[in-house]
Amino acid sequence: DQQVKQNSPSLSVQEGRISILNCDYTNSMFDYFLWYKKYPAEGPTFLISISSIKDKNEDGRFTVFLNKSAKHLSLHIVPSQPGDSAVYFCAATLSGANNLFFGTGTRLTVIP
Amino acid sequence: NAGVTQTPKFQVLKTGQSMTLQCAQDMNHNSMYWYRQDPGMGLRLIYYSASEGTTDKGEVPNGYNVSRLNKREFSLRLESAAPSQTSVYFCASSPRGRGQYFGPGTRLTVT
Repeated sequence: DQQVKQNSPSLSVQEGRISILNCDYTNSMFDYFLWYKKYPAEGPTFLISISSIKDKNEDGRFTVFLNKSAKHLSLHIVPSQPGDSAVYFCAATLSGANNLFFGTGTRLTVIP
Repeated sequence: NAGVTQTPKFQVLKTGQSMTLQCAQDMNHNSMYWYRQDPGMGLRLIYYSASEGTTDKGEVPNGYNVSRLNKREFSLRLESAAPSQTSVYFCASSPRGRGQYFGPGTRLTVT
């Protein structure tokens, strides 16, 4: 049973516009959430994270929003650049756990 | 500082053959992990090692064994490969379980 879901397998956005990637989770015990970016033939690389005590975390062009009541988080990329084209994975974990639960990924294509 | 390294990068096996995937990290991390990535399935945890000398099953451990050889190295063994184990395998390490660092992956095909 998938505890972390990314319902959009793909997203295309024009360069300079905002990209919004969405993620839903079912386990209310999750207290830490991460976004990873993955290029072809490479391993995932950490992008940004958020603790459940916050509802927003920003790092440059990347902002993650957390809505705990809806069990939903989103990643905003503004402005989108062609180099942002990759697969983005949402992941979640809980205190004391040693592993991450990953979503199925969203392939973002930024069109020049 | 190489981070997390994996060997081999690619491998083709026949059904029933065995092989070991190697992983090493030079970041002095306590925890190490093995994941598999399949189309439409995201990354699924096979086994993890919270610290040297300990290993635990993840979500999809059947058909695999692991060895935490020392703090740096964590290997994954397929004793009798099956076509269902065709996948991309990623090793990761973490200082405390959050914010994992991934290797480049091993693409395995079992025919």
